[in-house]
Amino acid sequence: DQQVKQNSPSLSVQEGRISILNCDYTNSMFDYFLWYKKYPAEGPTFLISISSIKDKNEDGRFTVFLNKSAKHLSLHIVPSQPGDSAVYFCAASGWSTGTASKLTFGTGTRLQVTL
Amino acid sequence: GAGVSQSPSNKVTEKGKDVELRCDPISGHTALYWYRQSLGQGLEFLIYFQGNSAPDKSGLPSDRFSAERTGGSVSTLTIQRTQQEDSAVYLCASRGTGTSASEQYFGPGTRLTVT
Repeated sequence: DQQVKQNSPSLSVQEGRISILNCDYTNSMFDYFLWYKKYPAEGPTFLISISSIKDKNEDGRFTVFLNKSAKHLSLHIVPSQPGDSAVYFCAASGWSTGTASKLTFGTGTRLQVTL
Repeated sequence: GAGVSQSPSNKVTEKGKDVELRCDPISGHTALYWYRQSLGQGLEFLIYFQGNSAPDKSGLPSDRFSAERTGGSVSTLTIQRTQQEDSAVYLCASRGTGTSASEQYFGPGTRLTVT
């Protein structure tokens, strides 16, 4: 049972345009959401997060939007750069329940930013 | 400040053999996690160590899998009688005391291939 779903395995975007990566979740106990970025042969690195008390969090070119009623979040990258080409993982945890010890990850979306 | 390191980076083993995977967390980090990523899947939580507390083993897929953490530092994940379905990238992450779930720092992983 996949509790965090990334339905698009890949996405190709032109440099300078907006990249939108989507993520859906099913567990209503999740209240903290994260995006990780992964380059080949490296471990995932934390990118941005959002708590369920917010609906938007912005950090430079990266913005995460959370729609709790739809159990959906998205990562926007504007403008996209070739160095953004990587696999992006959505992850969730139940921080408020005290079980933030483990993250549940989606299957990842491979983003390719073309020139 | 070295990051999380894992060894070996790659391991090929025959079905039925035992393997040991090693993780060296960031110095001073009290929390340590093991995840695995099978082909086409997201990162799957395996086990979590926090200080001297009993580990959370809820993600271990079978009793062939075990892990220990000696002296609150280095951790070893052992897979006994390996099966082909154990083939995956095994990732270790560590986190400092009092930090949020987002601050898990991942190692580069060990790619295990069971032939």
